Amino acid sequence: QKEVEQNSGPLSVPEGAIASLNCTYSDRGSQSFFWYRQYSGKSPELIMFIYSNGDKEDGRFTAQLNKASQYVSLLIRDSQPSDSATYLCAVNMGDSNYQLIWGAGTKLIIKP
Amino acid sequence: DAGVIQSPRHEVTEMGQEVTLRCKPISGHDYLFWYRQTMMRGLELLIYFNNNVPIDDSGMPEDRFSAKMPNASFSTLKIQPSEPRDSAVYFCASRRTGEDEQFFGPGTRLTVL
Repeated sequence: QKEVEQNSGPLSVPEGAIASLNCTYSDRGSQSFFWYRQYSGKSPELIMFIYSNGDKEDGRFTAQLNKASQYVSLLIRDSQPSDSATYLCAVNMGDSNYQLIWGAGTKLIIKP
Repeated sequence: DAGVIQSPRHEVTEMGQEVTLRCKPISGHDYLFWYRQTMMRGLELLIYFNNNVPIDDSGMPEDRFSAKMPNASFSTLKIQPSEPRDSAVYFCASRRTGEDEQFFGPGTRLTVL
């Protein structure tokens, strides 16, 4: 069964520090990896995504892939209280239908 | 663009009643997804459509759930009869072929008493 695993947290990080979120996936054939942010009571919104061929940096956010160990990370530099949310990892496991498999999410708390 | 539109935003009903949730995808998007989110099970894909055709309904929990997409701008998710364990937030999302991002609607919070 295809799975995506995340530590549910909460992960508590001081303001200004680097927050590191991880997600493991079961299918080596996975092709694209997504990080969504969800504030309490709101819908998920895409932060960034990467393909199996490389990492990506966008402002304070960096997504990194470790194919050998089958995990993907999201790093948030200079963490702000507004970054406090649940972060959902989703993986397209190479199916032609582009269906995403979702992790349960990690709750991140940035302490002022 | 107005984004994905869902209605109602909140629904409270009694066990045994029929519930209909509605979704309007972003114009030009040809994929539509229905999700359910609970604290216990997280975000679960129920069914998705491509060009109004249901492609995968393996996530639909049981026959009480049905979904339709009569045209490119409208979809419904129906629960009949509803049960307290159906209480959750139901999200609709849409995507365009060739693009990776799924855009989520605001969700419908369903409470079945």
